[in-house]
Amino acid sequence: KNEVEQSPQNLTAQEGEFITINCSYSVGISALHWLQQHPGGGIVSLFMLSSGKKKHGRLIATINIQEKHSSLHITASHPRDSAVYICAVLDGNQFYFGTGTSLTVIP
Amino acid sequence: EPEVTQTPSHQVTQMGQEVILRCVPISNHLYFYWYRQILGQKVEFLVSFYNNEISEKSEIFDDQFSVERPDGSNFTLKIRSTKLEDSAMYFCASSERFWAEQFFGPGTRLTVL
Repeated sequence: KNEVEQSPQNLTAQEGEFITINCSYSVGISALHWLQQHPGGGIVSLFMLSSGKKKHGRLIATINIQEKHSSLHITASHPRDSAVYICAVLDGNQFYFGTGTSLTVIP
Repeated sequence: EPEVTQTPSHQVTQMGQEVILRCVPISNHLYFYWYRQILGQKVEFLVSFYNNEISEKSEIFDDQFSVERPDGSNFTLKIRSTKLEDSAMYFCASSERFWAEQFFGPGTRLTVL
């Protein structure tokens, strides 16, 4: 049973394309976290949100609590955006992670 | 910019041995977390820690695991008797407030032979 589902699992895009990564969850939610895992393994926090929308540079994250769904958008994608993007949902005191979306942006 | 650090970056040990993984959280953060990621699998929550005690732990965090903040800067994860299936990348994270935005360390790759 996967509490957090991400789609797609793998994504290849041309540089400059608009990218959307989706996250659906079945657990209750206090907050949702989008993380970026670099090829070397390091993890960076991108967003933490519990409602609405957040924007940071070329990244936009939205969440729909009623539909239990969040999206991460990348505008004007660049090869340096190539990484695994992970959705993690906080349900009370437990953090449930998705399996990640592997993004490759081709020059 | 402050960052979370972890040592060692790679630890190789024999099955049955004890290992201690070390983390130095960001200095003004009060909440600390350990996660693990088995190769090719998703990240899994192990434990959260605040005020010198465990706040929450997952099913993975059984009696062979323990955490400690031995001084004002270090946060450690001890695995008492390692098993082959403990081989994974272990990430430490810290946050200012409970379950607020977390800052992750670079990870320790543990290999159990």
